[in-house]
Amino acid sequence: AIQLTQSPSSLSASVGDRVTITCRASQGISSGLAWYQQKPGKSPNLLIYDASSLESGVPSRFSGSGSGTDFTLTISSLQPEDFATYYCQQFNSFPATFGGGTKVEIK
Amino acid sequence: QVQLQESGPGLVKPSETLSLNCTVSGGSISSYYWSWIRQPPGKGLEWIGYIYYSGSTNSNPSLKSRVTISVDTSKNQISLRLNSVTAADTAVYYCARGIHYEDVWGKGTTVTVSS
Repeated sequence: AIQLTQSPSSLSASVGDRVTITCRASQGISSGLAWYQQKPGKSPNLLIYDASSLESGVPSRFSGSGSGTDFTLTISSLQPEDFATYYCQQFNSFPATFGGGTKVEIK
Repeated sequence: QVQLQESGPGLVKPSETLSLNCTVSGGSISSYYWSWIRQPPGKGLEWIGYIYYSGSTNSNPSLKSRVTISVDTSKNQISLRLNSVTAADTAVYYCARGIHYEDVWGKGTTVTVSS
């Protein structure tokens, strides 16, 4: 199975900061990557699919980029409601796998 | 809008079978793939398997021999059975719509494996 490595595993940031999370795949996955946001006690929420497509209803401050093995999720201006854990998921190769998560905390 | 609701026993004994249902409301189960995903306490997400409304199914090789996923279109429901459970199967179990990426998720149901 393809392994996804997210970095950092956690970060502290302030409201208004630009935040970048990376996800590296153990082998190439083309653009078969999604990003989710999960808040404590809640189910994951799809943010980005196909590496860079913004899910309907998701604020435009979220963006995704990358292809092959290296991907990024960027939050252009961190808002209070964005403090959460973020996961990448690859679906290019069976079985689908998830990264270990990046926890974004308040500085 | 489409909503998913997982249901089933919250406590299962070791070596027994975990059985969960996911009821789809606000839309039809037809023409979509449906997935099960789980999350052990304090840990990340693990994809369990999927089923198409027609019944075509597949599951994670790490669990395949223990997993059965089924669909009942008359009830707008999908089901998960995981046999021979151990403490390592303790997790929040989610059903979700999709096969490649999941755009609608249930709230999840917590299953604890303990005697």
